[in-house]
Amino acid sequence: IAGITQAPTSQILAAGRRMTLRCTQDMRHNAMYWYRQDLGLGLRLIHYSNTAGTTGKGEVPDGYSVSRANTDDFPLTLASAVPSQTSVYFCASSEGTNTEAFFGQGTRLTVV
Amino acid sequence: GQNIDQPTEMTATEGAIVQINCTYQTSGFNGLFWYQQHAGEAPTFLSYNVLDGLEEKGRFSSFLSRSKGYSYLLLKELQMKDSASYLCAVMDSNYQLIWGAGTKLIIKP
Repeated sequence: IAGITQAPTSQILAAGRRMTLRCTQDMRHNAMYWYRQDLGLGLRLIHYSNTAGTTGKGEVPDGYSVSRANTDDFPLTLASAVPSQTSVYFCASSEGTNTEAFFGQGTRLTVV
Repeated sequence: GQNIDQPTEMTATEGAIVQINCTYQTSGFNGLFWYQQHAGEAPTFLSYNVLDGLEEKGRFSSFLSRSKGYSYLLLKELQMKDSASYLCAVMDSNYQLIWGAGTKLIIKP
């Protein structure tokens, strides 16, 4: 079934540890995004990629990095996790920059 | 700054009609999206408006007034499965989506 897949589904992480959240899509979408969703706040864009080989910073990029080596994969790395990075992380993709986005099922991350 | 406002929570009765409002102030406008998000799940696309007026899609309709910075999502013949959060998002001049915090819709029998 075509779609977008995130791994892991949930994770408890010790502060200071490095963690990579994985995201893979098989829809051949050009654009991919990483969001975090916190209670009472809207989705906030962390990083995005409009096409393979390019990335850009969103609203809340500090403490996170991404890469886009190919069309399908868009991993998000936390270099040294802090408790404020406890959140639900959603990866999304879209065919273009102004078309509907398809979301992965989310990764619930707890940093302790 | 950029801002999207929508009510935090609304309650409606099964079978009835509900209107969820969204007002926005953004740097530029390249369209407005509505998404539905059930608790613990990912957002799913409902509608897209870029021109003024009403877009109808089954039981759901979305309206846009660019001059007023205003949109609403209209849900008819409410069903229990419509209990969810409804997210309003505006695409700004840089083609970045600015998201509202969402409206939690509670449907009562």
